[in-house]
Amino acid sequence: TQLLEQSPQFLSIQEGENLTVYCNSSSVFSSLQWYRQEPGEGPVLLVTVVTGGEVKKLKRLTFQFGDARKDSSLHITAAQTGDTGLYLCAGETDSGYALNFGKGTSLLVTP
Amino acid sequence: DTGVSQNPRHKITKRGQNVTFRCDPISEHNRLYWYRQTLGQGPEFLTYFQNEAQLEKSRLLSDRFSAERPKGSFSTLEIQRTEQGDSAMYLCASSPGTAYYGYTFGSGTRLTVV
Repeated sequence: TQLLEQSPQFLSIQEGENLTVYCNSSSVFSSLQWYRQEPGEGPVLLVTVVTGGEVKKLKRLTFQFGDARKDSSLHITAAQTGDTGLYLCAGETDSGYALNFGKGTSLLVTP
Repeated sequence: DTGVSQNPRHKITKRGQNVTFRCDPISEHNRLYWYRQTLGQGPEFLTYFQNEAQLEKSRLLSDRFSAERPKGSFSTLEIQRTEQGDSAMYLCASSPGTAYYGYTFGSGTRLTVV
């Protein structure tokens, strides 16, 4: 059973377009993180959100944590080809030691 | 510090053979995690160490899998009697505290069982 559901699974857009990817769960998380992974490499941490309703901005990336701390979104403005990769959300619950990862959204940005 | 290092990067083995992977975490990080990732999936948790103590093991970790972290430094993951279903990317990560601080992942070991 997947604790975190990510959508869409695949996304192909052109450079300059905006996009939003989603991460949903029925569980409450004490913190939630977004990672980006390139082929053949390990995931790299982008951001951690901990407070319900929190919004964090990282250049053209905007991350939001839901009020109930069960869901999150990642919005990219004016996508660039360098944004191509697998975007993973991962949540920490109060009952476990380790992060639970979603399946990821595979993003392809074409020129 | 050069980050989390995993060796080897790639391993091809015949079904039934044993394999061992090594992970060298960031030296200040007392927490170490092993994950497995197959194509089209996110990383799946296998096991977690705090210093040298193995504190949590996933149900995914069958009897053929064993992990160690002697002296709380590097860690090894051994798979005995490999099966084709073990083919995956094995990722190691370390962190200085709870997951809140974020994980630093290595580049992984790609295992192919033929």
